[in-house]
Amino acid sequence: EVQLVESGGGWVQPGGSLRLSCSASGFSFSTSGMNWVRQAPGKGLEWISYISAGSATIWYADSVKGRFTISRDNAKDSLSLQMNSLRAEDTAVYFCARETYDYSTPSGFFDYWGQGTLVTVSS
Amino acid sequence: QLVLTQSPSASASLGASVKLTCTLSSGRNNHAIAWHQQQPEKGPRFLMKVNSDGSHSKGDGIPDRFSGSSSGAERFLTISSLQSEDEADYFCQTWGTGIRVFGGGTKLTVL
Repeated sequence: EVQLVESGGGWVQPGGSLRLSCSASGFSFSTSGMNWVRQAPGKGLEWISYISAGSATIWYADSVKGRFTISRDNAKDSLSLQMNSLRAEDTAVYFCARETYDYSTPSGFFDYWGQGTLVTVSS
Repeated sequence: QLVLTQSPSASASLGASVKLTCTLSSGRNNHAIAWHQQQPEKGPRFLMKVNSDGSHSKGDGIPDRFSGSSSGAERFLTISSLQSEDEADYFCQTWGTGIRVFGGGTKLTVL
């Protein structure tokens, strides 16, 4: 069974930092692309970052570029998101999501999701 | 620009069918999309990928009641024999190089 479990959320003051983790099991993590997606309270889904299976390709949404860093440890089946210079508008539930490949090309869609971890940025 | 447009809300009666629409921005008629379901207080769940020709491939364990289709720039999700647990938010999603995009979501109410 594919499982994605996020952790590391919590309360942080504006300007602070937080590191989220996503633990994967039930599939070949080292051959899957991974994404972070967030959802502000009462709002829709917002994609924020993608990392390829071997970490060679990394993409960010403009809203987090320069502040957030995605990384992965394939030996530990783990995905991370380092969030710096946090703002009130970063308050959201953060989900990790798997993205497979069509041959060597990223499929573009998310076929498994975690349950999310809540990040609250407030003074 | 890659944009997906969804109606904010829809409703249908228990046991009936409903067809949700996701519209791709101009010039994007050849894009595939994915449909995701989010039940209250839960993480999203992948339902299916819908291609521009209307073919679709569903996620693990998705019932036959869920189907997808296409027409021009529109991508559809049809849910038949509506059940109470189908009351949820439904998001469409597409992609390009360096970007992943979601529609605003449709809140489905089962009456």
